[in-house]
Amino acid sequence: QKEVEQNSGPLSVPEGAIASLNCTYSDRGSQSFFWYRQYSGKSPELIMSIYSNGDKEDGRFTAQLNKASQYVSLLIRDSQPSDSATYLCAVVNAGNMLTFGGGTRLMVKP
Amino acid sequence: EAGVAQSPRYKIIEKRQSVAFWCNPISGHATLYWYQQILGQGPKLLIQFQNNGVVDDSQLPKDRFSAERLKGVDSTLKIQPAKLEDSAVYLCASSLRTGLDGTQYFGPGTRLLVL
Repeated sequence: QKEVEQNSGPLSVPEGAIASLNCTYSDRGSQSFFWYRQYSGKSPELIMSIYSNGDKEDGRFTAQLNKASQYVSLLIRDSQPSDSATYLCAVVNAGNMLTFGGGTRLMVKP
Repeated sequence: EAGVAQSPRYKIIEKRQSVAFWCNPISGHATLYWYQQILGQGPKLLIQFQNNGVVDDSQLPKDRFSAERLKGVDSTLKIQPAKLEDSAVYLCASSLRTGLDGTQYFGPGTRLLVL
């Protein structure tokens, strides 16, 4: 079992729709969770971090964390073609080590 | 604020040759990371430095990879000898703090092709 798992996609949504990206992790002691966006040929950039159960909103982005079920998700409202990228989930485990998932490729179609 | 700098941006070598990558982190960032990202995969941590000491190098193939951060600022990653499977993007990242609240900022990466 991988430490951080994501569906590789591609996830295709029409412009203006909500994109829902999911991530599960194996270490119950994990405390910090991050979502990075990576455009093709570019390096990852941080878009959201979340540390407590529940929702955290930042503009069109909402991160959701459920530690009991060991999943974290990212919702993108009013999706735009410019949101088309690979979204990487990253988790800091109990050993203080950051591990990335394989990423989900999102395609927003005009 | 200047970002993480890396060089070279691209490198093509033949297998069994050696190669070195350089990284200069954001000023004041004590923690520096080297990642390997193979096409279609997420970044994999190779080594983490806190100042000039190694925090984690458990996934570094030490028979061929080495890294140093002698003065606690910039860092070099070396591969000797290179194998075909080393073809990847090598990302350097830095953070002000480590662990739980250690937001990492990535450099542009070095794209390595081993022929």
